[in-house]
Amino acid sequence: LAKTTQPISMDSYEGQEVNITCSHNNIATNDYITWYQQFPSQGPRFIIQGYKTKVTNEVASLFIPADRKSSTLSLPRVSLSDTAVYYCLVGSNTGGFKTIFGAGTRLFVKA
Amino acid sequence: GAVVSQHPSRVICKSGTSVKIECRSLDFQATTMFWYRQFPKKSLMLMATSNEGSKATYEQGVEKDKFLINHASLTLSTLTVTSAHPEDSSFYICSAREASGRGVGTQYFGPGTRLLVL
Repeated sequence: LAKTTQPISMDSYEGQEVNITCSHNNIATNDYITWYQQFPSQGPRFIIQGYKTKVTNEVASLFIPADRKSSTLSLPRVSLSDTAVYYCLVGSNTGGFKTIFGAGTRLFVKA
Repeated sequence: GAVVSQHPSRVICKSGTSVKIECRSLDFQATTMFWYRQFPKKSLMLMATSNEGSKATYEQGVEKDKFLINHASLTLSTLTVTSAHPEDSSFYICSAREASGRGVGTQYFGPGTRLLVL
C-alpha cells in the first residue's frame, strides 16, 4: 500500500487559494490519487480523483507531476466553510483493494 | 455524486446489548463495502472489507466475532456490534466502492453512525 504524507495542518484566509500537497513516493502503476474532505461527525466527502497531469472539477483542481510521486489539491478562493480535514489517498480502484487513511491535513480558514 | 446512507445516525445502548448498523448504496451497486471507525480528532481506521456474497476480511486486531459483517446484496452491508461495551463507543463509517458505470472504482462514504454504549 502506498503510504501518503501530508502536512498536519494549514491556516488560510477567506478568498485565498489553498494548495495542499501530498507525497506518495511508492505509488504503483495502477494506483489512482483521491482526495476527500471531512467535517466533524460526518463521513468523508469525495472531492476529486486523478491519475496523472491535471484534473479539474467544480470545487477543486488536482495537479499530478509526471513521476506521480506527489500530488497537489488546489482549492480556489476558500471560505470559512472549507475548514475541514482533507485526506489524500492512493490506491487501485479495482476489486477489494482497501483504502487506508493517513492523518490528513486540518485546514483552518480564518475570516 | 453517488449516495451512501447509514442507519441509524446515532444510537445509545446499554452495555451487553447488540447493535446493528446498516449501510446502503442508494443509486449504485457496490461489490465491495468497507467499515471504518473513528475516534475524536483521529483519522479513520479500517475495520473490515466486505464483498457481496462472501465473508468479510478483517484488519488485524479487529475481532470478527464481535463485529459481525454481512454483505447480502450489492446495495446493503450491515455491521453488528455484539455484546457492546463502553470502549466500543465510537463513530462508525461505511463506504461503498462503485462496481460499474462512470464512477467505477470510486469509493463513497456514508454519513456515519455515532454509537454510545452506557
